[in-house]
Amino acid sequence: AQRVTQPEKLLSVFKGAPVELKCNYSYSGSPELFWYVQYSRQRLQLLLRHISRESIKGFTADLNKGETSFHLKKPFAQEEDSAMYYCALSGDNQGGKLIFGQGTELSVKP
Amino acid sequence: ETGVTQTPRHLVMGMTNKKSLKCEQHLGHNAMYWYKQSAKKPLELMFVYNFKEQTENNSVPSRFSPECPNSSHLFLHLHTLQPEDSALYLCASSQDLDSGANVLTFGAGSRLTVL
Repeated sequence: AQRVTQPEKLLSVFKGAPVELKCNYSYSGSPELFWYVQYSRQRLQLLLRHISRESIKGFTADLNKGETSFHLKKPFAQEEDSAMYYCALSGDNQGGKLIFGQGTELSVKP
Repeated sequence: ETGVTQTPRHLVMGMTNKKSLKCEQHLGHNAMYWYKQSAKKPLELMFVYNFKEQTENNSVPSRFSPECPNSSHLFLHLHTLQPEDSALYLCASSQDLDSGANVLTFGAGSRLTVL
């Protein structure tokens, strides 16, 4: 079965510290992985996807098929990074039918 | 308004009421989705429409009835709901299910409370 696990409900770091939000998935085929973000009072929006291999707002994520992980990283956290982060998976030919993790709340303190 | 618009933003209803949630997008997308976001649970996919045809019903109870009259509009008709149906209902759209463009654009959600 397809499943996305985000083991941390809350991650609290100080400004300037490195941050890593963990995401592990379970899927037998070739998944497409995403990170979505929801800032306070804003709607859920795409942060990045693994096939783009981009760095967005200083965040990067590498798909590790051996470890079935897609952890989100940023070397120096900023206060404006505080938000809910959701990891999501789309299976083969599944289009936009995403399976979401439970989300991790990132709190960056000054 | 651009993007995905959902109305109403908040809805309170009794268990015997009938109400509808509306979603509208002006992005030229052909796939539309209903997701349910409950407290302490991941977003759950409910229904998917591709070019107005329903392609997914994720074991959703029949008290939820979707309708997609055209590629720009999506409704979720509600009747005889239960208190546990209280949640944030999110509408989303994407280009379509076949192009490989799997990025979803979400609406702000409709917060439903069932008394």
